[in-house]
Order: sequence, then C-alpha cells, then structure tokens
Amino acid sequence: DIQMTQSPSTLSASVGDRVTITCRASQSISSWLAWYQQKAGKAPKVLIYKASSLESGVPSRFSGSGSGTEFTLTISSLQPDDFATYYCQQYNTYPLTFGGGTKVEIK
Amino acid sequence: EVQLLESGGGLVQPGGSLRLSCAASGFTFNSYAMIWVRQAPGKGLEWVSAVTGDGGSTYYADSVKGRFTISRDNSKNTLYLQMSSLRADDTAVYYCARMVVGTNYFDCWGQGTLVPVSS
Repeated sequence: DIQMTQSPSTLSASVGDRVTITCRASQSISSWLAWYQQKAGKAPKVLIYKASSLESGVPSRFSGSGSGTEFTLTISSLQPDDFATYYCQQYNTYPLTFGGGTKVEIK
Repeated sequence: EVQLLESGGGLVQPGGSLRLSCAASGFTFNSYAMIWVRQAPGKGLEWVSAVTGDGGSTYYADSVKGRFTISRDNSKNTLYLQMSSLRADDTAVYYCARMVVGTNYFDCWGQGTLVPVSS
C-alpha cells in the first residue's frame, strides 16, 4: 500500500499569512494526487486534483505543486474561511489512501 | 444539483450487521464509479470501498475485506454498503462520494451517516 505522510499535523497561522502543507508518498504516484478541505462536522471538499489543477469554483489563493513523491498545497493569503483540516489523497493505485491531515488553526 | 444522501446508520452491537444506503440525484448515476469513505471520531479519512459504474468491479480496504460488501442498484440510483461482523473500530461517520470520470478522486460527497459499534 502507498503511505501518505502529511506535515505539519497542526499549523497555527494568521489571516493574510502564506501557508504551505506538505504531503509525501511512500512511492511515486506521478501526479495522481488530490487535496481536500474539511470543516468540522462537514464532508470534505476537493480543492486540487492531479497535483496542481484547481477544482472549479475553488478560490485562486489555493494552489498545488509537486510530482512523484513530494507535493505541496499552498494558500497564498489565508482567509477566515480557510481555517479547517486539509487532507491529501493518492489515486495512483488501490487501495486509495489519504494523508493523516493538517489542521490549520487561528494563531 | 448533484446530491448524495446517506441513510441507515445507527447503533449496532459488536458482531452485528448493518446496511448503509446512498441515494443519488442530479447526475447520470450509472456513469460514475462510487465509493465509501469513513472517519472515526476525531480521526482522519479512510477509504473503505469502491464500485465501478456498472457494478462489475469492486475494491476494498484490507480492514474491511471479507466483512463489507459494496453494491449498487442503478435502476434506483442507490449505492449500498452491507457491513457484517462489525467491530468497535468500525465506529465512524461513513460518507459516500462520487468518483470523477476517468480518475479516482472524489468531487461530490454526502453528508455522512454515523455508525457507532458498541454493546
């Protein structure tokens, strides 16, 4: 199985900050990676697919990069609505696997 | 509007069985692979199972293989998850979601249904 490791697990930031979350795969997944945002008590929402493609309707302050085994999600200027937990997910092979999550908290 | 609505959750004893349903609307259901993902209380997301649009192929996480069965009724636009031999560590919110055509990521999710496994 492909293991997905996210860092950090928690991140404290202020509105307007640039935020970067890292996701590492235990083996190459090419660009088959998605990023999701989940708010408390709600279902996840896809932000980025194929490592760097922005899902329709997602604000342009979100961006993704990387390929192979190392990936990043960047929020260029953190907004109040962005405080949430973020997950990466590989879809290169079954079983599909998620990272452990990164909680973005208010500093 | 695309909608997914799970039902069937509820308290079940260890060793028991339960069937979850996910009613889909607003899209051509049989054109999309569908999945179940679960989230234990305070924990991260865990992919559970997937089924192709025609129901012909199914996939399972090792943690549920042999105990859970995914299926779909395309005439009813409904996805199912039959769960048996339930254990305490199956306690979670179970989400159904739609897979984007030609890929294995998920663009639409239900609201989730809680399955507590406890005596």
